[in-house]
Amino acid sequence: EVQLVQSGAEVKKPGESLKISCKGSGYSFTSYWIGWVRQMPGKGLEWMGIIYPGDSDTRYSPSFQGQVTISADKSISTAYLQWSSLKASDTAMYYCARRGVVPANGGVYYYYYMDVWGKGTTVTVSS
Amino acid sequence: DIQLTQSPSFLSASVGDRVTITCRASQGISSYLAWYQQKPGKAPKLLIYAASTLQSGVPSRFSGSGSGTEFTLTISSLQPEDFATYYCQQLNSYLITFGQGTRLEIK
Repeated sequence: EVQLVQSGAEVKKPGESLKISCKGSGYSFTSYWIGWVRQMPGKGLEWMGIIYPGDSDTRYSPSFQGQVTISADKSISTAYLQWSSLKASDTAMYYCARRGVVPANGGVYYYYYMDVWGKGTTVTVSS
Repeated sequence: DIQLTQSPSFLSASVGDRVTITCRASQGISSYLAWYQQKPGKAPKLLIYAASTLQSGVPSRFSGSGSGTEFTLTISSLQPEDFATYYCQQLNSYLITFGQGTRLEIK
């Protein structure tokens, strides 16, 4: 079974650091990009960034560039999202998701989608 | 960034109704659009990709259409389990964005 298993809920204080994880199984982890999505309480989905575990190529949303670090350890099929100094406004649910791909027009171009999602990691930052 | 605007933001409907949600992109994205369903406390679930391709296992009452800047998600006959929030997402580049969501509630 293809799945992404995320680490457990975290409660932290402002200024603390944090690294949450997303472990893939049931597929070739190094062959698919992994994205991270934030959902603040009662709000919509926000795209944070994406990493290719095969070579750690990483692309950030401008809104999150410099605010978080996305990384991966392909030896253990795990992607990470980390903060060096948390703020109360980082309180949210964080999802990782696999970017699937399908060729179109005989492979001339490709369509993408987020087909496998982790259950999410709740991060609460409060003094 | 490419902005996605969904309408309506809130929709009240009854079981058996046909409903349509619209997603408009601030610039052309060809067919690089996906739709997701999210229920409270759950991760999003992929419904449609490439604007109109139904993900495996998704009921055929869901359909998608459009290209360029205007897209629609249609549910042909609402079932009780369809009441949820729906999001569009553009994957035209690595600068991926979501629409703000459409909350579908039981009338």
